Formats: sequence, C-alpha cells, structure tokens
Amino acid sequence: GAVVSQHPSWVICKSGTSVKIECRSLDFQATTMFWYRQFPKQSLMLMATSNEGSKATYEQGVEKDKFLINHASLTLSTLTVTSAHPEDSSFYICSARGPGQIYEQYFGPGTRLTVT
Amino acid sequence: QKEVEQNSGPLSVPEGAIASLNCTYSDRGSQSFFWYRQYSGKSPELIMSIYSNGDKEDGRFTAQLNKASQYVSLLIRDSQPSDSATYLCAVETGSARQLTFGSGTQLTVLP
Repeated sequence: GAVVSQHPSWVICKSGTSVKIECRSLDFQATTMFWYRQFPKQSLMLMATSNEGSKATYEQGVEKDKFLINHASLTLSTLTVTSAHPEDSSFYICSARGPGQIYEQYFGPGTRLTVT
Repeated sequence: QKEVEQNSGPLSVPEGAIASLNCTYSDRGSQSFFWYRQYSGKSPELIMSIYSNGDKEDGRFTAQLNKASQYVSLLIRDSQPSDSATYLCAVETGSARQLTFGSGTQLTVLP
C-alpha cells in the first residue's frame, strides 16, 4: 500500500517552454500533497503544500506564478513549471499523505527535469 | 527557523557492523520523526517513523527518540553493502505538518 507515482520520470525541454509533472496516489486518498526540489548533493527543499480543492501554500522564495500547483482530486496533483530556464533543472519529487493524525508521507519516484 | 541537523558524514562501516546515525532538531513542538533512505538518483524511501520517547525496532533498524534532548537516532545492525545510501532525518513541523529534512548522512558499508 501507499504507492505514489509520478509522470514523467524524466523530461528535457527548451528554455522558455512549460512542463507539467503529475503526481498520483495509487491506493489511498491523499488529502495533502507536497512538492519538493532537490539539487545535486543537496537535501530536499519543500516548495509547496497542496490540499485537495484549495490553493497551494508556497514556501518562502518559491515563485507561485512560475510553479503552478493544482490539486484537483484526492489522488492527483500537478506541478507546472512555466517558462522554464536552465536554473530550473532539478529533481522534482512529490509526496502524499492521507488523512489522520499519524500518517507518514510517501514519496513518488521523482521527475528529473533538464532545461536546455 | 526550524532546523534539523545531521552528522554529515560520510560514514563508512564494515559489513556486519552497527551503523549509527544521529539527528537533532530545534522545534520543541515536533511530535513526529522519520528516517528515509535515498539511493543515488532515486527518491526517498521511508524506513522508520517514531513518535514516542524510547526505542522502536523494525528488523535490523532501531530508531531512538529523546524529546527532552531533541535528539533522534537510527541504528542499523548487521550492516550490508545494500544499506549504502544517504539517510535523511525528517521532522514534522507546522500546522500543515510539513517535513523538514536534515542534510543527510552518506553511509557506505564496505564488503
């Protein structure tokens, strides 16, 4: 149980284009999903928290107009990187958590984005 | 700023030995603590969660929590080369129960 998928697993795009990443909880309903970014040799940095049906909460320093997050259902959240630039190249990872007070976060396999 | 500190390593242990990983955190209000394992190029995998003071054992893994000292640790017994990875300590904080991660400890188990 507690399987989270991401699609695509890797993507290469040209500078200035937009890229959409999907995150799905496969066997549970995720009331909250999180989006992280990880640069090489660094730890995970939380970008935003999204709750189903409401606007995402972005961490300080993360541009909400550049990183669009939609959590339209209890099993799907999307992250769209708009007008991507080479400095946006990174490993993007989502996690999902179900309802309840004690419930771990489970991570998707990640999406490696390269902007050329 | 809520912080999570880990002994940065790298840490090398021989096969069959005990690997000890440590973590301290700054937010006294934190109630939930996690250890994740991350292989190179992969996403984190949850290996242990702990919520109460004391020890929690799961197979070769033992997590220890001391809230008074704001300290959480992970022991890996009978270490195997397949345990070689980066281990991330994560502490749940905030009203949305976000995870704050430490910088990770890179563990190498030598055959």
